[in-house]
Amino acid sequence: GNSVTQMEGPVTLSEEAFLTINCTYTATGYPSLFWYVQYPGEGLQLLLKATKADDKGSNKGFEATYRKETTSFHLEKGSVQVSDSAVYFCALSEGGTALIFGKGTTLSVSS
Amino acid sequence: KAGVTQTPRYLIKTRGQQVTLSCSPISGHRSVSWYQQTPGQGLQFLFEYFSETQRNKGNFPGRFSGRQFSNSRSEMNVSTLELGDSALYLCASSSGGLNEKLFFGSGTQLSVL
Repeated sequence: GNSVTQMEGPVTLSEEAFLTINCTYTATGYPSLFWYVQYPGEGLQLLLKATKADDKGSNKGFEATYRKETTSFHLEKGSVQVSDSAVYFCALSEGGTALIFGKGTTLSVSS
Repeated sequence: KAGVTQTPRYLIKTRGQQVTLSCSPISGHRSVSWYQQTPGQGLQFLFEYFSETQRNKGNFPGRFSGRQFSNSRSEMNVSTLELGDSALYLCASSSGGLNEKLFFGSGTQLSVL
């Protein structure tokens, strides 16, 4: 079945450091890929998405490229801020609202 | 535009009881999906309702059920509660199209004692 694997956290960085959170997936078809972020006490928010191979999703300085050959969708940001501290979830969908999520990666950024 | 509203925010129940959670989607959204979030299993899809019909269902026992009303508000019911049902239950709304952005509520934290 379909699944998403993302790197275990927590990830602890200093402000302005480079961020990479790895995400790989297994799917039988051609899924769409997403990154969602969850701030403390809040629901999930869509950060970015890509719907086909080689698409790059980007938002708020975050980027991720849909790599079909490596079945990956790694999240990157060139310079993190304290306000980026949150839990990040990689997810896939075959088109509907039934998302399959990874376990989440906690990011903690200190000043 | 108001966001997705879930009530109540917290619930404490005992084993064997049943519980009903409520979700009011963003105005104009016809799709409501429910997810269970636990530290062990992470986020898991429960079911989706679109225009008052269940359109998709995850792999959960029949004790978990839901419904959607004509105004798109949705309720989720869990009967015969078990300790393992303790979780954050998240509701998400969307217009219902393919790959549409999901808007999540803040969730209902259910504790089963």
